[in-house]
Amino acid sequence: DAKTTQPPSMDCAEGRAANLPCNHSTISGNEYVYWYRQIHSQGPQYIIHGLKNNETNEMASLIITEDRKSSTLILPHATLRDTAVYYCIVRDYNAGNNRKLIWGLGTSLGVNP
Amino acid sequence: DGGITQSPKYLFRKEGQNVTLSCEQNLNHDAMYWYRQDPGQGLRLIYYSQIVNDFQKGDIAEGYSVSREKKESFPLTVTSAQKNPTAFYLCASTPPGVGGEKLFFGSGTQLSVL
Repeated sequence: DAKTTQPPSMDCAEGRAANLPCNHSTISGNEYVYWYRQIHSQGPQYIIHGLKNNETNEMASLIITEDRKSSTLILPHATLRDTAVYYCIVRDYNAGNNRKLIWGLGTSLGVNP
Repeated sequence: DGGITQSPKYLFRKEGQNVTLSCEQNLNHDAMYWYRQDPGQGLRLIYYSQIVNDFQKGDIAEGYSVSREKKESFPLTVTSAQKNPTAFYLCASTPPGVGGEKLFFGSGTQLSVL
């Protein structure tokens, strides 16, 4: 699986949109982009995933560039409860491939009141 | 509610002691995983199991052992051979087929050495 690059930390004002970037320049055609977040001292939580089209769910939106070499996770109205470490991961869309995931250090998002 | 339960939340190990971390899920998921998380590092896979009575080593299996006698349970034993056991341990599971790409995590166990 391809590796990803994320900024180590970001800040966002409460109520504003938080835009978290991720570079995955070596992504292959059958690899999806997944986002998880981890609140301090808890297990990571799945947020969203996508292949090439933009995706939206109740938690966030995922924007993937046309060349698929980068993506942005958007939290439209950040709250203090969104303060967490956000992980961007790419993986083959196959149930047997979770063992191949490469977890980086993620982006530590601080939401300020 | 359905989910993954890890216990205990905090665990202390004495020198030369084996300790077992519990992981139980009632999500009817087939695959289960154990990860280790150290400060300043990403999650690293210790062991995984795709079905009952079968498990495979991950990237850092030395000093650890697991069993999968029931679908719901995947306990991890940290043996005395693991010389640096202090870490945050996370258990996860995934459903079969479509949806298997999403990992569901427990709340973790913080293991420390006395």
